[in-house]
Amino acid sequence: DQQVKQNSPSLSVQEGRISILNCDYTNSMFDYFLWYKKYPAEGPTFLISISSIKDKNEDGRFTVFLNKSAKHLSLHIVPSQPGDSAVYFCAANENNDMRFGAGTRLTVKP
Amino acid sequence: DAGVIQSPRHEVTEMGQEVTLRCKPISGHNSLFWYRQTMMRGLELLIYFNNNVPIDDSGMPEDRFSAKMPNASFSTLKIQPSEPRDSAVYFCASSLMQGIQETQYFGPGTRLLVL
Repeated sequence: DQQVKQNSPSLSVQEGRISILNCDYTNSMFDYFLWYKKYPAEGPTFLISISSIKDKNEDGRFTVFLNKSAKHLSLHIVPSQPGDSAVYFCAANENNDMRFGAGTRLTVKP
Repeated sequence: DAGVIQSPRHEVTEMGQEVTLRCKPISGHNSLFWYRQTMMRGLELLIYFNNNVPIDDSGMPEDRFSAKMPNASFSTLKIQPSEPRDSAVYFCASSLMQGIQETQYFGPGTRLLVL
């Protein structure tokens, strides 16, 4: 069963614009959410996280929003840069059981 | 620190052969995770260890898969016998567990192809 879903396999955005990556989950027991970025031939790298007691966390160009009632998570990148082109994984954690979405490939065009 | 180290980076083997993947976590980390990434299922947690003890292996696909962590600086994931459907990228990750605010650091992965 897929408890974490990223329904958009790919997203293309113009440089300088906003990138919005979405993630939905089904397990209300998840208490911590993370976004990872993955370049080809490399392991995922941690990007940003949010605890379930918050609804927003910001770090530079990256902001994660959490809507617990909708069981929805999103990552905003503003402004998008060509170097942001990668696969982004949403992850949700319950008692150290981490579940990942299938990933969204972001392409930022110059 | 060199980060999480995995070997080999690539492995090509024939069906029925034994495959052993190796991982060296970041020094000082007390948790280690094995993941498998496929196109169909994305990243899946196979097993994780805390202080060298397996905590949850419910993600291990079947008895052909086994994982060990004999000490804090080394873990193996073994597939015996291997099958073509085991072809995937296998990632090892480590973390320093501090409550729920845990960030996992991933190795570069081992790309396995079973013919």
